[in-house]
Amino acid sequence: EVQLVESGGGLVQPGGSLRLSCAASGFTFSSYWMSWVRQAPGKGLEWVANIKQDGSEKYYVDSVKGRFTISRDNAKNSLYLQMNSLRAEDTAVYYCARPLIAAAGLYWYFDLWGRGTLVTVSS
Amino acid sequence: EIVLTQSPATLSLSPGERATLSCRASQSVSSYLAWYQQKPGQAPRLLIYDASNRATGIPARFSGSGSGTDFTLTISSLEPEDFAVYYCQQRSNWPPEVTFGQGTRLEIK
Repeated sequence: EVQLVESGGGLVQPGGSLRLSCAASGFTFSSYWMSWVRQAPGKGLEWVANIKQDGSEKYYVDSVKGRFTISRDNAKNSLYLQMNSLRAEDTAVYYCARPLIAAAGLYWYFDLWGRGTLVTVSS
Repeated sequence: EIVLTQSPATLSLSPGERATLSCRASQSVSSYLAWYQQKPGQAPRLLIYDASNRATGIPARFSGSGSGTDFTLTISSLEPEDFAVYYCQQRSNWPPEVTFGQGTRLEIK
């Protein structure tokens, strides 16, 4: 079965750190760019970061630059998000997402999502 | 930064009716726009990409149109399972960054 399964969420104090993981299965993980997208409680979706297949390129939304690091381990079919200096506004469900591959190649839309992992930043 | 504005915020309709949801971009995004459906407690599901292409497995009652700054998602005849929140999303070619609209809640009247 093609799926993404996130883990690692939880309650953390402001200023703290957390590392999220995403386990991929059912597809050739190493062939895809991968992304993290988050959703604050009751709010809309916000793209967080992208990483190239070999990890050589990474892109972040401005609000997390310098605090979050996306990485991957293709041997383990896993995607990660290291989150440091966490703030209350980082509270959200974090989704691992795969961009669409279609007729013309890579499209920056997400056709596969995990179920998400909740990160709560609170004292 | 391109801002996507969705309207209306909430749309109240009955099963069998036609739904028309709007997404307006602050500047042209060409046809680089997608639509997602999200139900409570679930991840989003890709419905439409590049403005008018249905994703795999999406029923034909869902259709997308538009280009430039104005886009529309149409559900021709609402089924009970279509009541959800819908998001639009634009993509830039490079760097690979995306932004989402704030969502339209489609509720049962």
